Amino acid sequence: AQTVTQSQPEMSVQEAETVTLSCTYDTSENNYYLFWYKQPPSRQMILVIRQEAYKQQNATENRFSVNFQKAAKSFSLKISDSQLGDTAMYFCASDYGGSQGNLIFGKGTKLSVKP
Amino acid sequence: AAGVIQSPRHLIKEKRETATLKCYPIPRHDTVYWYQQGPGQDPQFLISFYEKMQSDKGSIPDRFSAQQFSDYHSELNMSSLELGDSALYFCASSTRQAVNTEAFFGQGTRLTVV
Repeated sequence: AQTVTQSQPEMSVQEAETVTLSCTYDTSENNYYLFWYKQPPSRQMILVIRQEAYKQQNATENRFSVNFQKAAKSFSLKISDSQLGDTAMYFCASDYGGSQGNLIFGKGTKLSVKP
Repeated sequence: AAGVIQSPRHLIKEKRETATLKCYPIPRHDTVYWYQQGPGQDPQFLISFYEKMQSDKGSIPDRFSAQQFSDYHSELNMSSLELGDSALYFCASSTRQAVNTEAFFGQGTRLTVV
């Protein structure tokens, strides 16, 4: 069975600093995507960044980047220059067989950015 | 840009009642996914449809059913509601006609069962 594990229930960071959220996963799929979603207090699910397993280059989106270690099945999210608006729950997710919509989520990490 | 529309946004029902949640995907999206997110929980995949046919089934209770219509909108029907069904229900849509396309989430329907 596919699993996604986030070992940090809560984290905090000072505004403008850098924070890394951890995620490990287990899958038997050969082709899959990994995602980080942000869920602010509005509860909207917002895609932050995604990584295709076949691509060795780590994905980046502005202040957000990932460290994808396929052999170790690790997929961490780095947020640089943290902003107050980054305060949210962050979910790591893996899909089934490349569908990108059938997702298994981790339990989430609640990130607080402090002024 | 058009997004995934879910209605209603909020719904209050009593135990043993029935609820219907609606999802209108992004235009030209042919695939719909339903998720349930309980309080303080991660979203759990319920069911998905592609071209009006069920494509995958997750942890959807037997009391729930869903379908996708000819205009690609989808409805999640929930019967004999229980207190534990209180949750945020998300719909997401995508298209298989384009390579490397992600799924987009709606804003969710908050169901409260009293």
